[in-house]
Amino acid sequence: DADVTQTPRNRITKTGKRIMLECSQTKGHDRMYWYRQDPGLGLRLIYYSFDVKDINKGEISDGYSVSRQAQAKFSLSLESAIPNQTALYFCATSDPTTSPDEQFFGPGTRLTVL
Amino acid sequence: KQEVTQIPAALSVPEGENLVLNCSFTDSAIYNLQWFRQDPGKGLTSLLLIQSSQREQTSGRLNASLDKSSGRSTLYIAASQPGDSATYLCAAQAAGNKLTFGGGTRVLVKP
Repeated sequence: DADVTQTPRNRITKTGKRIMLECSQTKGHDRMYWYRQDPGLGLRLIYYSFDVKDINKGEISDGYSVSRQAQAKFSLSLESAIPNQTALYFCATSDPTTSPDEQFFGPGTRLTVL
Repeated sequence: KQEVTQIPAALSVPEGENLVLNCSFTDSAIYNLQWFRQDPGKGLTSLLLIQSSQREQTSGRLNASLDKSSGRSTLYIAASQPGDSATYLCAAQAAGNKLTFGGGTRVLVKP
């Protein structure tokens, strides 16, 4: 079984809809991250959480919100989806007690906003 | 603000040639530099991670070097195979474990 899973893997939605992307991990890591990837731009950090009570904005948080329901679950919400949020979304986890603090990525969610 | 650049954006080589992928970063105050492989429709697979105190890391046919003073890292893939076709991403890790990614180099190895 995959250590970091994301649901759904693909989603097509319409402008204005509220969307939630979910991430679950079985690695026991405290730190979790959400990134988006646009063609040719690499990955950019949306939000990150160092533990259940610690959530921080990343580089491009506008239009997004997150919820850390438990150590193993970190959800990303688009309150009112717009077409320029069409992208590939990745969740990642890491363990700060290890050195180096390497991030492990899920398989991604492809989101299309029409 | 850290900026990471990968040039070229795409590369095509015949099977058997060695691949050289370049990554440059603007802020040398990094904790480590990581190389990833991305296949279409799939997530990121970590290939090599070079800590700031290291100069290179090797795994099989892969070798990655790091020169912090010049803000450069290079990924070498020896004797390329069609199965090496993928997009390769580098990422620089700074304080707070934030990764800054380059745009990637899309590699095609022709049989």
